[in-house]
Amino acid sequence: DTAVSQTPKYLVTQMGNDKSIKCEQNLGHDTMYWYKQDSKKFLKIMFSYNNKELIINETVPNRFSPKSPDKAHLNLHINSLELGDSAVYFCASSQYPGGTQYFGPGTRLLVL
Amino acid sequence: KNEVEQSPQNLTAQEGEFITINCSYSVGISALHWLQQHPGGGIVSLFMLSSGKKKHGRLIATINIQEKHSSLHITASHPRDSAVYICAVKANTGNQFYFGTGTSLTVIP
Repeated sequence: DTAVSQTPKYLVTQMGNDKSIKCEQNLGHDTMYWYKQDSKKFLKIMFSYNNKELIINETVPNRFSPKSPDKAHLNLHINSLELGDSAVYFCASSQYPGGTQYFGPGTRLLVL
Repeated sequence: KNEVEQSPQNLTAQEGEFITINCSYSVGISALHWLQQHPGGGIVSLFMLSSGKKKHGRLIATINIQEKHSSLHITASHPRDSAVYICAVKANTGNQFYFGTGTSLTVIP
Protein backbone atom coordinates (compact mmCIF):
# COMPACT_ATOMS: atom_id res chain seq x y z
CA ASP A 1 0.00 0.00 0.00
CA THR A 2 1.32 3.43 -0.90
CA ALA A 3 1.99 5.48 2.22
CA VAL A 4 1.64 8.93 0.65
CA SER A 5 -0.13 9.18 -2.67
CA GLN A 6 -0.70 12.11 -4.98
CA THR A 7 -3.03 12.55 -7.91
CA PRO A 8 -2.51 13.27 -10.65
CA LYS A 9 1.11 12.33 -11.31
CA TYR A 10 1.24 14.50 -14.41
CA LEU A 11 -0.78 17.61 -15.16
CA VAL A 12 -0.53 19.61 -18.37
CA THR A 13 -2.80 22.63 -18.60
CA GLN A 14 -3.23 26.05 -20.17
CA MET A 15 -2.39 29.34 -18.56
CA GLY A 16 -5.32 30.81 -16.69
CA ASN A 17 -6.91 27.49 -15.76
CA ASP A 18 -7.70 26.36 -12.22
CA LYS A 19 -6.43 22.97 -11.10
CA SER A 20 -6.22 20.84 -7.98
CA ILE A 21 -3.70 18.29 -6.77
CA LYS A 22 -4.78 15.77 -4.17
CA CYS A 23 -2.71 14.12 -1.48
CA GLU A 24 -3.60 11.29 0.85
CA GLN A 25 -1.57 9.51 3.52
CA ASN A 26 -2.48 6.23 5.20
CA LEU A 27 0.19 6.41 7.90
CA GLY A 28 -2.00 7.94 10.57
CA HIS A 29 0.19 11.03 10.66
CA ASP A 30 -0.98 14.33 12.10
CA THR A 31 1.13 16.62 9.91
CA MET A 32 1.14 17.13 6.15
CA TYR A 33 3.15 19.37 3.85
CA TRP A 34 3.21 20.75 0.32
CA TYR A 35 6.53 21.48 -1.39
CA LYS A 36 7.43 22.99 -4.74
CA GLN A 37 10.54 21.89 -6.60
CA ASP A 38 11.50 24.21 -9.40
CA SER A 39 13.55 23.59 -12.52
CA LYS A 40 16.75 24.11 -10.55
CA LYS A 41 15.67 21.28 -8.25
CA PHE A 42 15.47 23.53 -5.22
CA LEU A 43 12.90 22.18 -2.76
CA LYS A 44 10.81 24.83 -1.08
CA ILE A 45 8.11 24.34 1.53
CA MET A 46 4.79 26.00 0.77
CA PHE A 47 2.33 24.91 3.44
CA SER A 48 1.99 22.61 6.40
CA TYR A 49 -1.03 21.45 8.31
CA ASN A 50 -1.11 19.80 11.70
CA ASN A 51 -4.38 18.21 12.78
CA LYS A 52 -6.13 20.10 9.96
CA GLU A 53 -4.73 23.40 11.20
CA LEU A 54 -2.44 25.54 9.04
CA ILE A 55 0.93 25.89 10.76
CA ILE A 56 3.24 26.89 7.93
CA ASN A 57 2.16 29.36 5.28
CA GLU A 58 5.16 30.51 3.31
CA THR A 59 5.17 33.46 0.97
CA VAL A 60 3.35 32.02 -1.99
CA PRO A 61 0.84 33.72 -4.27
CA ASN A 62 -2.68 33.64 -2.88
CA ARG A 63 -3.66 31.80 -6.05
CA PHE A 64 -2.44 28.76 -4.12
CA SER A 65 -4.88 27.52 -1.51
CA PRO A 66 -4.44 24.38 0.56
CA LYS A 67 -7.39 22.52 2.00
CA SER A 68 -7.32 19.78 4.60
CA PRO A 69 -10.71 18.08 4.90
CA ASP A 70 -9.28 15.61 7.41
CA LYS A 71 -5.89 14.61 8.82
CA ALA A 72 -5.30 12.08 6.03
CA HIS A 73 -5.80 14.53 3.17
CA LEU A 74 -4.19 17.77 2.10
CA ASN A 75 -5.21 19.13 -1.28
CA LEU A 76 -3.67 22.00 -3.19
CA HIS A 77 -5.81 24.21 -5.38
CA ILE A 78 -4.22 26.62 -7.82
CA ASN A 79 -6.20 29.40 -9.47
CA SER A 80 -5.31 31.26 -12.66
CA LEU A 81 -2.28 29.13 -13.44
CA GLU A 82 0.82 30.92 -14.72
CA LEU A 83 3.83 29.67 -16.67
CA GLY A 84 6.01 30.05 -13.59
CA ASP A 85 3.86 27.56 -11.69
CA SER A 86 5.37 24.77 -13.78
CA ALA A 87 7.25 22.59 -11.32
CA VAL A 88 7.07 19.34 -9.43
CA TYR A 89 4.84 19.52 -6.36
CA PHE A 90 5.53 17.09 -3.54
CA CYS A 91 3.25 16.20 -0.69
CA ALA A 92 4.67 14.75 2.52
CA SER A 93 3.51 13.72 5.96
CA SER A 94 5.06 13.22 9.38
CA GLN A 95 3.83 11.99 12.71
CA TYR A 96 4.31 15.43 14.26
CA PRO A 97 5.64 18.80 13.04
CA GLY A 98 9.33 18.40 12.24
CA GLY A 99 9.28 14.64 12.44
CA THR A 100 10.60 12.26 9.82
CA GLN A 101 8.76 13.00 6.61
CA TYR A 102 7.40 10.56 4.09
CA PHE A 103 7.10 11.96 0.61
CA GLY A 104 4.62 11.32 -2.14
CA PRO A 105 5.84 10.58 -5.68
CA GLY A 106 5.33 14.15 -6.84
CA THR A 107 3.00 15.79 -9.34
CA ARG A 108 4.65 17.19 -12.44
CA LEU A 109 2.75 20.31 -13.46
CA LEU A 110 3.35 21.90 -16.83
CA VAL A 111 1.58 25.14 -17.67
CA LEU A 112 1.51 26.02 -21.37
CA LYS B 1 22.12 34.11 2.15
CA ASN B 2 20.42 30.76 2.59
CA GLU B 3 19.87 29.58 6.15
CA VAL B 4 21.23 26.17 5.11
CA GLU B 5 24.37 25.76 3.03
CA GLN B 6 25.58 22.47 1.60
CA SER B 7 28.91 21.53 0.13
CA PRO B 8 29.93 20.41 -2.32
CA GLN B 9 27.18 21.19 -4.81
CA ASN B 10 28.34 18.41 -7.10
CA LEU B 11 30.44 15.38 -6.31
CA THR B 12 31.76 12.59 -8.51
CA ALA B 13 33.34 9.57 -6.88
CA GLN B 14 34.67 6.18 -7.88
CA GLU B 15 32.85 3.15 -6.62
CA GLY B 16 34.14 2.16 -3.22
CA GLU B 17 35.22 5.62 -2.16
CA PHE B 18 34.29 7.17 1.18
CA ILE B 19 32.06 10.20 0.64
CA THR B 20 31.31 13.16 2.86
CA ILE B 21 28.64 15.78 2.26
CA ASN B 22 28.55 18.80 4.54
CA CYS B 23 25.70 20.95 5.80
CA SER B 24 25.99 24.18 7.76
CA TYR B 25 23.08 26.17 9.10
CA SER B 26 22.66 29.56 10.71
CA VAL B 27 19.46 29.20 12.74
CA GLY B 28 18.68 27.47 16.00
CA ILE B 29 17.19 24.10 15.24
CA SER B 30 15.19 21.37 16.88
CA ALA B 31 16.05 18.76 14.24
CA LEU B 32 18.07 18.25 11.09
CA HIS B 33 17.02 15.99 8.25
CA TRP B 34 18.95 14.34 5.47
CA LEU B 35 16.90 13.49 2.39
CA GLN B 36 17.81 11.54 -0.73
CA GLN B 37 16.24 12.29 -4.09
CA HIS B 38 16.71 9.54 -6.65
CA PRO B 39 17.28 10.29 -10.35
CA GLY B 40 13.67 9.27 -10.94
CA GLY B 41 12.52 12.07 -8.64
CA GLY B 42 11.38 10.16 -5.57
CA ILE B 43 12.39 11.62 -2.19
CA VAL B 44 13.27 9.48 0.82
CA SER B 45 14.08 10.59 4.33
CA LEU B 46 17.42 9.12 5.40
CA PHE B 47 17.94 10.54 8.87
CA MET B 48 16.43 12.87 11.39
CA LEU B 49 18.82 13.87 14.15
CA SER B 50 19.14 16.46 16.84
CA SER B 51 22.43 15.38 18.40
CA GLY B 52 25.29 12.94 18.02
CA LYS B 53 25.40 10.36 15.32
CA LYS B 54 23.15 7.91 13.53
CA LYS B 55 24.03 4.98 11.32
CA HIS B 56 21.97 3.06 8.81
CA GLY B 57 23.79 0.51 6.71
CA ARG B 58 26.59 2.31 4.86
CA LEU B 59 25.23 5.74 5.74
CA ILE B 60 26.32 7.73 8.76
CA ALA B 61 25.01 11.14 9.80
CA THR B 62 26.61 13.32 12.44
CA ILE B 63 25.66 16.65 13.89
CA ASN B 64 27.53 19.21 15.96
CA ILE B 65 24.98 21.54 17.50
CA GLN B 66 27.57 24.00 18.83
CA GLU B 67 29.18 24.39 15.43
CA LYS B 68 25.83 24.24 13.58
CA HIS B 69 27.17 21.63 11.24
CA SER B 70 26.18 18.19 10.04
CA SER B 71 27.86 15.66 7.80
CA LEU B 72 26.52 12.75 5.83
CA HIS B 73 29.02 10.00 5.15
CA ILE B 74 28.69 7.11 2.72
CA THR B 75 31.11 4.25 3.13
CA ALA B 76 32.02 1.91 0.25
CA SER B 77 30.04 4.01 -2.21
CA HIS B 78 28.12 2.30 -4.98
CA PRO B 79 26.61 3.57 -8.24
CA ARG B 80 23.14 3.11 -6.75
CA ASP B 81 24.06 5.84 -4.23
CA SER B 82 23.98 8.33 -7.11
CA ALA B 83 21.32 10.84 -6.13
CA VAL B 84 20.80 14.33 -4.81
CA TYR B 85 21.25 14.61 -1.05
CA ILE B 86 19.36 17.41 0.66
CA CYS B 87 19.90 18.81 4.13
CA ALA B 88 16.93 20.41 5.87
CA VAL B 89 16.49 21.90 9.33
CA LYS B 90 13.47 22.59 11.46
CA ALA B 91 13.86 25.84 13.35
CA ASN B 92 13.42 25.69 17.11
CA THR B 93 11.05 28.67 17.01
CA GLY B 94 7.77 28.25 15.21
CA ASN B 95 7.41 25.57 12.59
CA GLN B 96 9.76 26.85 9.89
CA PHE B 97 11.74 24.48 7.70
CA TYR B 98 14.83 25.54 5.76
CA PHE B 99 16.36 23.51 2.94
CA GLY B 100 19.79 23.35 1.42
CA THR B 101 20.15 23.40 -2.35
CA GLY B 102 21.27 19.79 -2.43
CA THR B 103 24.43 17.92 -3.32
CA SER B 104 24.36 15.95 -6.55
CA LEU B 105 26.39 12.77 -6.14
CA THR B 106 27.48 10.56 -9.02
CA VAL B 107 29.29 7.32 -8.25
CA ILE B 108 31.12 5.85 -11.21
CA PRO B 109 31.63 2.08 -11.47
